[in-house]
Amino acid sequence: GNSVTQMEGPVTLSEEAFLTINCTYTATGYPSLFWYVQYPGEGLQLLLKATKADDKGSNKGFEATYRKETTSFHLEKGSVQVSDSAVYFCALRLNDYKLSFGAGTTVTVRA
Amino acid sequence: SQTIHQWPATLVQPVGSPLSLECTVEGTSNPNLYWYRQAAGRGLQLLFYSVGIGQISSEVPQNLSASRPQDRQFILSSKKLLLSDSGFYLCAWSRTFEAFFGQGTRLTVV
Repeated sequence: GNSVTQMEGPVTLSEEAFLTINCTYTATGYPSLFWYVQYPGEGLQLLLKATKADDKGSNKGFEATYRKETTSFHLEKGSVQVSDSAVYFCALRLNDYKLSFGAGTTVTVRA
Repeated sequence: SQTIHQWPATLVQPVGSPLSLECTVEGTSNPNLYWYRQAAGRGLQLLFYSVGIGQISSEVPQNLSASRPQDRQFILSSKKLLLSDSGFYLCAWSRTFEAFFGQGTRLTVV
């Protein structure tokens, strides 16, 4: 079946550090890939997406590139801020109705 | 623009009591609707999804049920809550590939 595996947390960083969260997927076909972010006590917000191989999604300084050859969609940000502290979820969707999520990675950025 | 409303935001219920969580979507028609649960420190588990009125697919067998009485209304229910039903419940909708989430309901069963 379709599944997403992402880096286990928690991840603790200092402000302005480089962040990377690994995400790999298994899918029968060519899924669309997403990163969602969940701030404390809130629902999930779409952070970025990529719908085909080699697409790069970007938003708020975050980037992720759809790599079909390595079945990966790693999230990166060059300089994190305290406000980036959140839980990050990698997700995929094929041509059906279900969105499959990874387990989530908790990121804490310290001033 | 489309919006999704989910309520209540928090709920404390005794074991064995019934449950009803409601979710409504505005600004779109015939959305796909979803209920997810997020247990403490864990990822998202898809509980139910619906592609139309009265059409419910269950992903995980449990003592919860879902209904879609109207196009943009999705209800999560239980006749008798268990302690293990505690968690953060999220409603979501989609039309194409990306999904949009409500603010969630924090359910504590005591």
